[in-house]
Amino acid sequence: AQTVTQSQPEMSVQEAETVTLSCTYDTSESDYYLFWYKQPPSRQMILVIRQEAYKQQNATENRFSVNFQKAAKSFSLKISDSQLGDAAMYFCAYRSGGSNYKLTFGKGTLLTVNP
Amino acid sequence: GAGVSQTPSNKVTEKGKYVELRCDPISGHTALYWYRQSLGQGPEFLIYFQGTGAADDSGLPNDRFFAVRPEGSVSTLKIQRTERGDSAVYLCASSPQLSGANVLTFGAGSRLTVL
Repeated sequence: AQTVTQSQPEMSVQEAETVTLSCTYDTSESDYYLFWYKQPPSRQMILVIRQEAYKQQNATENRFSVNFQKAAKSFSLKISDSQLGDAAMYFCAYRSGGSNYKLTFGKGTLLTVNP
Repeated sequence: GAGVSQTPSNKVTEKGKYVELRCDPISGHTALYWYRQSLGQGPEFLIYFQGTGAADDSGLPNDRFFAVRPEGSVSTLKIQRTERGDSAVYLCASSPQLSGANVLTFGAGSRLTVL
């Protein structure tokens, strides 16, 4: 079974600075998808960024980018120019590329943004 | 609707009672998912539907849990003889179809507290 590990229970960053959240995963599959979701106090999970394992190029969405290291099974999220609205729980998630549509989540990292 | 709607937002019940949690997915989305998020944890998969049928219910913890989607739209998660350990946020998500590339849209969840 796949596992997702987020080793940082909490992180903090100053407004306008850059922060990197770590995620590692364990799988024997070669085809899969990785996601970062944001969960603010409203509880609604919001997709931040997605990476297909077959793509070598790292995904980027505005201020959010990932460092995908397939051999190392690492998928970190970099948030540039941090804003107060970025404060939330961040979850890393894995999904198989086959017919298994379950998402496996890590335990999350609580990000605090200091003004 | 514009988003995934879950009701009730919060539910407090007594041990041993029966509970129903409702999910109204985005209109036209054929795939629907249920996840459970315990305090301090990432969401855990329960079940997903393609249309009216449960495509995978392997995450349901025991036979006290049951979910239906009779018309392929609204889904109800049913919990019999609730236990204190069932206390969690129950998240529903939907996607246009079952596909590895599809992104899930989550609702705000139903927080269940069993006293």
